[in-house]
Amino acid sequence: LAKTTQPISMDSYEGQEVNITCSHNNIATNDYITWYQQFPSQGPRFIIQGYKTKVTNEVASLFIPADRKSSTLSLPRVSLSDTAVYYCLVALKAAGNKLTFGGGTRVLVKP
Amino acid sequence: EAQVTQNPRYLITVTGKKLTVTCSQNMNHEYMSWYRQDPGLGLRQIYYSMNVEVTDKGDVPEGYKVSRKEKRNFPLILESPSPNQTSLYFCASSAPSTNEKLFFGSGTQLSVL
Repeated sequence: LAKTTQPISMDSYEGQEVNITCSHNNIATNDYITWYQQFPSQGPRFIIQGYKTKVTNEVASLFIPADRKSSTLSLPRVSLSDTAVYYCLVALKAAGNKLTFGGGTRVLVKP
Repeated sequence: EAQVTQNPRYLITVTGKKLTVTCSQNMNHEYMSWYRQDPGLGLRQIYYSMNVEVTDKGDVPEGYKVSRKEKRNFPLILESPSPNQTSLYFCASSAPSTNEKLFFGSGTQLSVL
């Protein structure tokens, strides 16, 4: 199974950019990298997904280097409402569809 | 509205009393899955289902059963709950071509006394 490693927590301030890096050294060729956001007592919510290079949507950007052994979620100009836990997910097709989440990164945005 | 619905939202029970947590999705998704979330342990997959009548174990299946008789429903069954199954449970579903893009329910907080 893919093992992902993320920082446990990060603090930031309103208006700053937050970058969270996820390591996934044994990512398989056909795997996609997906990031989720979770608020307390709610189910995780899909943020962004990518395979390689850079993906951008209205919420975030995802940077994936050529070797795909890591990925960085970038949240531009965060606000207090971005305080949440962020999960990186990498699916190993060879393992069927055991979708194993890492421990997540707790992001605290301060005023 | 596209959604994954879990019931109940909160459940308190006693050791050994069988219970079922229901999960239903209205997006015609083939893939469905159950997770439990415990403090400091993140989300751990219990069971998943690729389609009707097709289920498989996740990382922590002990003490749980599932069934997938219809595409939209994927109930989680605890035949004999124990206190170590006290947790926050999430059901999720996704379309077959994008299994990593999961839609999650609102969660079920289970307490086994």
